[in-house]
Amino acid sequence: DGGITQSPKYLFRKEGQNVTLSCEQNLNHDAMYWYRQDPGQGLRLIYYSQIVNDFQKGDIAEGYSVSREKKESFPLTVTSAQKNPTAFYLCASSIPGMNTEAFFGQGTRLTVV
Amino acid sequence: QQQVKQSPQSLIVQKGGISIINCAYENTAFDYFPWYQQFPGKGPALLIAIRPDVSEKKEGRFTISFNKSAKQFSLHIMDSQPGDSATYFCAAAGDDYKLSFGAGTTVTVRA
Repeated sequence: DGGITQSPKYLFRKEGQNVTLSCEQNLNHDAMYWYRQDPGQGLRLIYYSQIVNDFQKGDIAEGYSVSREKKESFPLTVTSAQKNPTAFYLCASSIPGMNTEAFFGQGTRLTVV
Repeated sequence: QQQVKQSPQSLIVQKGGISIINCAYENTAFDYFPWYQQFPGKGPALLIAIRPDVSEKKEGRFTISFNKSAKQFSLHIMDSQPGDSATYFCAAAGDDYKLSFGAGTTVTVRA
């Protein structure tokens, strides 16, 4: 079945540590996105990539980094510079262009302990 | 600063009733307005979408109404069912293809 796979579903991180969230898609989509979801704030864009080896900052990129070495993969690293990393992280993909549906993964819930 | 403002934050409706969620935007460059449905612990999924060249779009029990001059759009859920209990997000995008989401509305349908 085609779709987006995020792993792990739950992740615990100690303060001061970097952690990487995985996102893989087999939809053959060129565009991929990372969103952060907090209660009452909707989804906020962290980073997005329209093509392999290229990505742009979204609205809240500070404290995060990404790479796009393969079309299928778009991992997100939450660095120790992110002051409030506890959140639900969602990866999405789409065909670049207007009016196209974004397909979301099941999300990773990150908790700093 | 949120580019799309959504209200209410939550609503409760009886089975068979109508749920109405409203969204407003400022950026006149937006020309794609989707609604996403999210169940607890899951990722959002596209429910219905509209472009500004039409004022209304209906798919089953779900209808989007769009008012371009007021820069507002709304989702109506007719004959609400317990299975419709979820969080609903409105969103908007322009020619940069990036979706800006509203804060979300949690809908609870009581049997």
